[in-house]
Amino acid sequence: DAGITQSPRYKITETGRQVTLMCHQTWSHSYMFWYRQDLGHGLRLIYYSAAADITDKGEVPDGYVVSRSKTENFPLTLESATRSQTSVYFCASSELRSDTQYFGPGTRLTVL
Amino acid sequence: AQSVTQLGSHVSVSEGALVLLRCNYSSSVPPYLFWYVQYPNQGLQLLLKYTTGATLVKGINGFEAEFKKSETSFHLTKPSAHMSDAAEYFCAVSFRSGSARQLTFGSGTQLTVLP
Repeated sequence: DAGITQSPRYKITETGRQVTLMCHQTWSHSYMFWYRQDLGHGLRLIYYSAAADITDKGEVPDGYVVSRSKTENFPLTLESATRSQTSVYFCASSELRSDTQYFGPGTRLTVL
Repeated sequence: AQSVTQLGSHVSVSEGALVLLRCNYSSSVPPYLFWYVQYPNQGLQLLLKYTTGATLVKGINGFEAEFKKSETSFHLTKPSAHMSDAAEYFCAVSFRSGSARQLTFGSGTQLTVLP
């Protein structure tokens, strides 16, 4: 029972580089979400997806791109990383018509 | 618009003492409310949730929370703290936006349990 996994768990990159964070879930949940966690801000929603090929912006989408070609995968791309994108990123998923989200273990990203 | 305020970014209690973590919300519609716990280097785990019905909600690990509409509060309690309760706790309110129910989180409360 793998649940929801994220890779890599830790990533260091440089300003201006492209970075992709991966999220994979084995439950066939319809909804998937990307959050960033910063000290003093809790978690803030970046993007979410209701199904394959359906995505929508959250609270803080600028500088990020998502895609969802398959139900189980929801990658998050930073096209040109900036230091302000240093954060811990969490992926989550939920079933259709459910109010409960299940979270992955997170990816700690450092942009130098 | 929905928002969540957690009073106290750090709370310390002695082992065996009462745990009280405070959460107040603002919501223009009847809220769905959640408490999540995050252990070091892990993702968030659902402790309990309130959607409708009974206002006193029991969760895992002996935690419970009471929805008080008149006070717009959803405080988390546990009668007797255990060392393993040391973690960060997040209160969240759920609202529907577009096709999904989204979560708005508070800024979190770090719970320390002293021996």
